[in-house]
Amino acid sequence: QSVLTQPPSVSGAPRQRVTISCSGSTSNVGDNGVNWYQQFPGKAPKLLIYYDDLVPSGVSDRFSGSRSGTSASLAIRGLQSEDEADYYCSSWDDRLNALVFGGGTKVTVL
Amino acid sequence: EVQLVESGGDLVKPGGSLRLSCAASGFTFSNAWMAWVRQAPGRGLEWVGRIKIRAHGGTSDYAGVVNGRFTISRDDSKNTLYLEMNSLKTEDTAVYYCTTNDWNYGHFDHWGQGTLVSVSS
Repeated sequence: QSVLTQPPSVSGAPRQRVTISCSGSTSNVGDNGVNWYQQFPGKAPKLLIYYDDLVPSGVSDRFSGSRSGTSASLAIRGLQSEDEADYYCSSWDDRLNALVFGGGTKVTVL
Repeated sequence: EVQLVESGGDLVKPGGSLRLSCAASGFTFSNAWMAWVRQAPGRGLEWVGRIKIRAHGGTSDYAGVVNGRFTISRDDSKNTLYLEMNSLKTEDTAVYYCTTNDWNYGHFDHWGQGTLVSVSS
């Protein structure tokens, strides 16, 4: 059971917009920035969004992030087949004094 | 180009020990917080721990499930990060990733390819 809660799966048609939620508590998402990672099968994760809504150089601007209260979300605009992957949110937890991840969300392009 | 290359993964019996290494290049290693993240087969990502730079105390923090059994260390003269694992359990079976850990925003911006640790009798 992960400290941060994500839906196990999300799907959408090509060119659609999908969002992935990440729900936490006041000790993590409510008080610290949220980061998002993309992972393809058999590959290392890749940073997608950091500090809620900042996009690293080289990452498509179709990806965006936001945070409000104890929840955060990742949006993928103009969904493409190459976006099929697992997505993880993470945040620092002040009560646990540890970095916590969500359980991951598998994105499927219909 | 930043490169992180893990090594040392192996098959080990429960109760055994193992040391992983991560060779870093392409950035100033001594000025980078570093971390280990693992992923059990078919499961999600799990933070193992991190180590700060010497200027920030050089201290380490660990996930509760490994605290007291795992030790993270670094050799800045060799640009190498280590993970010493003792009293290994079957549930420690995972791919272990070495990452850089931004100290301002806390994200992992660069990842190695991972090394597999299997704990089984």
